[in-house]
Amino acid sequence: DTVLTQSPALAVSPGERVSISCRASEGVNSYMHWYQQKPGQQPKLLIYKASNLASGVPARFSGSGSGTDFTLTIDPVEADDTATYFCQQSWNDPWTFGGGTKLELK
Amino acid sequence: EVQLQQSGAELVKPGASVKLSCKTSGYTFSNYYMSWLKQMPGQNIEWIGNIYGGNGGTGYNQKFKGKATLTVDKSSSTAYMDLSSLTSEDSAVYFCARREYRYNYFDYWGQGVMVTVSS
Repeated sequence: DTVLTQSPALAVSPGERVSISCRASEGVNSYMHWYQQKPGQQPKLLIYKASNLASGVPARFSGSGSGTDFTLTIDPVEADDTATYFCQQSWNDPWTFGGGTKLELK
Repeated sequence: EVQLQQSGAELVKPGASVKLSCKTSGYTFSNYYMSWLKQMPGQNIEWIGNIYGGNGGTGYNQKFKGKATLTVDKSSSTAYMDLSSLTSEDSAVYFCARREYRYNYFDYWGQGVMVTVSS
C-alpha cells in the first residue's frame, strides 16, 4: 500500500503562514487530496487533485505538489483552523490516508 | 443541499454482525459512488470500499474483503454496510462519503457512526 507520511503536529500563531507536508512512499501523480477534521466531526474536503480548492473553502487554503511530495498551505492562519489535516491519495489501489497533522494555535 | 445521514451508535457483541445505513438527499443517488471509511480512535482513516448507486457495483480494499459488504437501496437513496464476525479491532467510527468519480476524492461525508464491539 502507498504510505503517506505527515508531521504529527504543528503550532503557529494566528496571522502566520503554515505549510503542512505529505510525502508518499511511491508516486501518486497529482491525485492527492486534503481534508480538515475537527474533534467529533467528519472530515471536510479542502483541496482536490493537489491544488484545486473545493467549493466554499476560503482562499487562505492552497495546495501544491506532484509525484511524491505535497504541501497544504494556510495563509494567514485563523483561530478556527485548529484541527487535524489529512492527505489522501487516489492514484494507487488501495486509496490511503496520511496519519494526520494536528494544527494548534499559540 | 447534499446530505448524508448515518444511523446511530451501535454496541455489539464479539462475533456478531452489524448493518450501518447512510441515507442521502440533495443529489441523484444513482449517479454517484458511495464510499465507506473507518477511523479508529486517534488514528488515521482507512478506505473500506465503494458502491455505485446506479447498479450496486462494488470495489473493496483487499483488507476489508470478507469483513464488509456494501449494498444500496435506490428506492430510498440509502447505502448500507454490513460488518461481520466483529472483534475489538472493528471498534471504530465508520463514515459514509460520496466519492467524486474522476479523481476519487470524497466531497461529502456523513456524520459518522461509532461501533463498539464489547461483551
